[in-house]
Amino acid sequence: KAGVTQTPRYLIKTRGQQVTLSCSPISGHRSVSWYQQTPGQGLQFLFEYFSETQRNKGNFPGRFSGRQFSNSRSEMNVSTLELGDSALYLCASSPGQGAVDEQFFGPGTRLTVL
Amino acid sequence: GQNIDQPTEMTATEGAIVQINCTYQTSGFNGLFWYQQHAGEAPTFLSYNVLDGLEEKGRFSSFLSRSKGYSYLLLKELQMKDSASYLCAAMDSNYQLIWGAGTKLIIKP
Repeated sequence: KAGVTQTPRYLIKTRGQQVTLSCSPISGHRSVSWYQQTPGQGLQFLFEYFSETQRNKGNFPGRFSGRQFSNSRSEMNVSTLELGDSALYLCASSPGQGAVDEQFFGPGTRLTVL
Repeated sequence: GQNIDQPTEMTATEGAIVQINCTYQTSGFNGLFWYQQHAGEAPTFLSYNVLDGLEEKGRFSSFLSRSKGYSYLLLKELQMKDSASYLCAAMDSNYQLIWGAGTKLIIKP
């Protein structure tokens, strides 16, 4: 089974721009979660989608948004980029059937905001 | 608030044993996860504990005490490939994972 894939792997943007990141979960997985990872901060939860609906949301400003398509692929959008948005963005998928699932992570997208 | 604490960095010797501690405070509790993350790679699942006690899986074991809000990951017979960051995450009452900042483990020959 193919793992979780994320595109692009690296991105360089400037302040004020917007960016869209993509995540393809493991086949059959219906839940996709997004995290921001920065040194010393650990993983910060952004949101989780299940069957095209946002099921859970972290404490991030409205500039961060996401969506999930009928094939479970998910996109995350960040508008009006700030320097502090520079981070590794990780996507994780799980079957989503049970409340407690092991999450399978993708390699991440490293975003640099200049 | 919700909080996970774990040491920032630890150093151990190849062949030895190391224990990585994690304390948590969450709104409700639905279990504790440990993940391993090698530099530049994605985190991978190591263990899940929801009941008190020790779970052993090969060279790795994980312990949980719900009353103390405490867990540890025990790594035996350390190998150089165990050099990585170890992430502790507690699941709250909304089944949302609250993550620690990770413990960077350095293995020396």
